[in-house]
Amino acid sequence: AQKITQTQPGMFVQEKEAVTLDCTYDTSDPSYGLFWYKQPSSGEMIFLIYQGSYDQQNATEGRYSLNFQKARKSANLVISASQLGDSAMYFCAMNSGGSNYKLTFGKGTLLTVNP
Amino acid sequence: SAVISQKPSRDICQRGTSLTIQCQVDSQVTMMFWYRQQPGQSLTLIATANQGSEATYESGFVIDKFPISRPNLTFSTLTVSNMSPEDSSIYLCSVVRGWQEAFFGQGTRLTVV
Repeated sequence: AQKITQTQPGMFVQEKEAVTLDCTYDTSDPSYGLFWYKQPSSGEMIFLIYQGSYDQQNATEGRYSLNFQKARKSANLVISASQLGDSAMYFCAMNSGGSNYKLTFGKGTLLTVNP
Repeated sequence: SAVISQKPSRDICQRGTSLTIQCQVDSQVTMMFWYRQQPGQSLTLIATANQGSEATYESGFVIDKFPISRPNLTFSTLTVSNMSPEDSSIYLCSVVRGWQEAFFGQGTRLTVV
């Protein structure tokens, strides 16, 4: 079974500052993928970044980077230079071959960017 | 990324009625899934939509309540049957192409009154 834990129900950050959203995971599969999604108030799920369990380097996509610490089973999302439009819910998720690629989600973190 | 068109984007329905949600992908995909997101909650998987065969449902979800079709590799529908206010949620289709590609449609925001 897979499990994702996001312990921060809400986070606040000042515009232009960096923020880290925490995510820990648990799985018995040796091969798995970790995802982060952004969900604005409109409800759509926007893919941000992916990290494979065998990837040697941390994934980066523009202002998003994933701090992957395999031994600690953590996959924290770092958003640099926060913008007002970054205010949204953020979900960490994972899948694996053993789960037939079904995504398991954490409870999410509501990020608010203050001007 | 895949372009996923999900319709309708929102609807308000009377209890006891049914609503069918459509999910169209711009290219063939291996896996399609349907998720439910109840108000203030995370996403929960309803079922895996299997091409040409019956969907595989997760615990707590049954075919009579959530019939799913997938006639080909680019299209699927989810029906929410005999709706009650507890079915008010966002419903999302998701497609997977390989390990690292998992995308979502725009979601259907359903309100049952």
